[in-house]
Amino acid sequence: QVQLQESGPGLVKPSGTLSLACAVSGDSISTSHWWSWVRQPPGKGLEWIAGIYHSGSTSYNPSLRTRVTISVDKSKNQLSLKVSSVTAADTAVYYCARENHSTSGTPFDCWGQGTLVTVSS
Amino acid sequence: QSVLTQPPSVSGAPGQRVTISCTGSSSNIGAGFDVHWYQQLPGTAPKLLIHGNINRPSGVPDRISGSKSGTSASLAITGLQAEDEADYYCQSFDSRLNWVFGGGTKLTVL
Repeated sequence: QVQLQESGPGLVKPSGTLSLACAVSGDSISTSHWWSWVRQPPGKGLEWIAGIYHSGSTSYNPSLRTRVTISVDKSKNQLSLKVSSVTAADTAVYYCARENHSTSGTPFDCWGQGTLVTVSS
Repeated sequence: QSVLTQPPSVSGAPGQRVTISCTGSSSNIGAGFDVHWYQQLPGTAPKLLIHGNINRPSGVPDRISGSKSGTSASLAITGLQAEDEADYYCQSFDSRLNWVFGGGTKLTVL
């Protein structure tokens, strides 16, 4: 059974950098799937942030591209996310998810439980 | 303002049928990209409900169905149950924006 587990600081200061990791178990991050980050501000909807393939190919939400970096560490079987110059608008629950390229339409079929990151001084 | 438009809320009595619409444009749903649906119970991560417009993952009951036509898609739930009360999100791919989600619909079981 595939499991994803996010981790990282729950509190980040404004103008700082948010750094999160997502540990993948039950599947290799080097398979034919892409891996994504999605966030959800409190009481609001889902927003896709970025995706990555184990080869290093990446895709980004155009509205966040200049502040976001996604990466993979194959030795640790995990993916990471960095968001720079954060503001209160970046306060959200951050999820990592698997894009299943073996299923029609490549849905996000596995999700982590999410981790709340609050931007505040 | 989400790229995919969903009604903020829908409601129905137990046993009834409800539908949730998801309206996109020629750069996403209308371009032929598949629509997926997710159910999010309070305080939990989204769960895949429908993929590839009409397909149910194993474990999802057949009283839940999806459809797609033109630039829109719909999720239908028949035989409404209290456990269906949740937020529902549609998702598709956009040729300019990559992955996009609808704003979400809160389903209330009366």
